[in-house]
Amino acid sequence: DIQMTQSPSTLSASVGDRVTITCRASQSISSWLAWYQQKPGKAPKLLIYKASSLQSGVPSRFSGSGSGTEFTLTISSLQPDDFATYYCQQYTSYSPANFGQGTKLEIK
Amino acid sequence: QITLKESGPTLVKPTQTLTLTCTFSGFSLSTSGVGVGWIRQPPGKALEWLALIYWNADKRYSPSLKSRLTITKDTSKNQVVLTMTNMDPVDTATYYCAHRHLGGPGYYFDYWGQGTLVTVSS
Repeated sequence: DIQMTQSPSTLSASVGDRVTITCRASQSISSWLAWYQQKPGKAPKLLIYKASSLQSGVPSRFSGSGSGTEFTLTISSLQPDDFATYYCQQYTSYSPANFGQGTKLEIK
Repeated sequence: QITLKESGPTLVKPTQTLTLTCTFSGFSLSTSGVGVGWIRQPPGKALEWLALIYWNADKRYSPSLKSRLTITKDTSKNQVVLTMTNMDPVDTATYYCAHRHLGGPGYYFDYWGQGTLVTVSS
């Protein structure tokens, strides 16, 4: 199975900051990567698919990049609503749809 | 508008079988490419994908849980059912069902249910 590793596990930042979260796959997944945002007590929300495609309705301050084994999620200017936990997930056809362990974005 | 909602017991005893139902609207599980999956999340922990069923009844299971899981669909009722046998306290989690986003080789999810918390305890 393909394992997904996110870093950091926790990130402290301030409103207006630019932040980047990294996700690494244990083997190449081309661009078959999704990013989700989850707030406490809520279901995850799809933000990005195919590594860099923005899901409809998601603010443009969110962006994704990468291919192969290394990917990033960037928030260009943090808003109060962005403090949440973020997960990556690979979706190749040859491995179960594993998620990363999550990155909690906290207010500094 | 796509919606999904999970239903089932909130409390099960160890060794019992859990049966969860996902009732959805806004799409049909007879449409090519469509799939519905189950994902769980233990309290304070990460998401774990469990199973998925496609429109053509093709099924996928998490390798680590495959022997305990069964996923089925009732297209006429717009429902997907997940059963998990031999429940253990470590299976305590919020269980989500979700709609597969069309496109790509595998499965990721664009619409999610609200989740249902299942506690395993005697």
